[in-house]
Amino acid sequence: NAGVTQTPKFQVLKTGQSMTLQCAQDMNHNSMYWYRQDPGMGLRLIYYSASEGTTDKGEVPNGYNVSRLNKREFSLRLESAAPSQTSVYFCASMWDRAPYEQYFGPGTRLTVT
Amino acid sequence: RKEVEQDPGPFNVPEGATVAFNCTYSNSASQSFFWYRQDCRKEPKLLMSVYSSGNEDGRFTAQLNRASQYISLLIRDSKLSDSATYLCVVNRNTGNQFYFGTGTSLTVIP
Repeated sequence: NAGVTQTPKFQVLKTGQSMTLQCAQDMNHNSMYWYRQDPGMGLRLIYYSASEGTTDKGEVPNGYNVSRLNKREFSLRLESAAPSQTSVYFCASMWDRAPYEQYFGPGTRLTVT
Repeated sequence: RKEVEQDPGPFNVPEGATVAFNCTYSNSASQSFFWYRQDCRKEPKLLMSVYSSGNEDGRFTAQLNRASQYISLLIRDSKLSDSATYLCVVNRNTGNQFYFGTGTSLTVIP
């Protein structure tokens, strides 16, 4: 039982390049999330998916797109990376009942130069 | 105004001390409340949910004050292993959006 997995763990991009961050969970959770964490800002929600086939914007969606490929997988795409997108990205999933605990992946550390 | 605000600290306390963190939230419609723990360069993990009547888990006690819109976490008999950043998290139950505070840093000193 791997929980939530993310790939890659580290990535360096040049401005304007594109990439997709992958996330998968094996806990049969309906809800999945993408966050970014920056110093002094806390975790901020980029996008979330309440169920397979649905996605919704969070606090900071600009510059990102997501795909809920199936119940297990939720990917985050940067179409044209900018230095402001340098951050640590966390994927999370959650079972839709109390205690509403989110399980996080280990994170992807992205640097855009 | 931020959804969730925390004192960033750092809090440096000796082993065995009692330490308390507070967190305030801005939206009175918030429904669910949590404390997460995050170790350096690791993912956050749920420490405990916070219930209206307050709840305790071993050395940890969480309280909720809806009237004043704040949440607290009390750690008794601090251990070296308690050193981490503690994140206050609030959920409005609308669209499953969770709001995280910036975290409070705790270092327990031998």
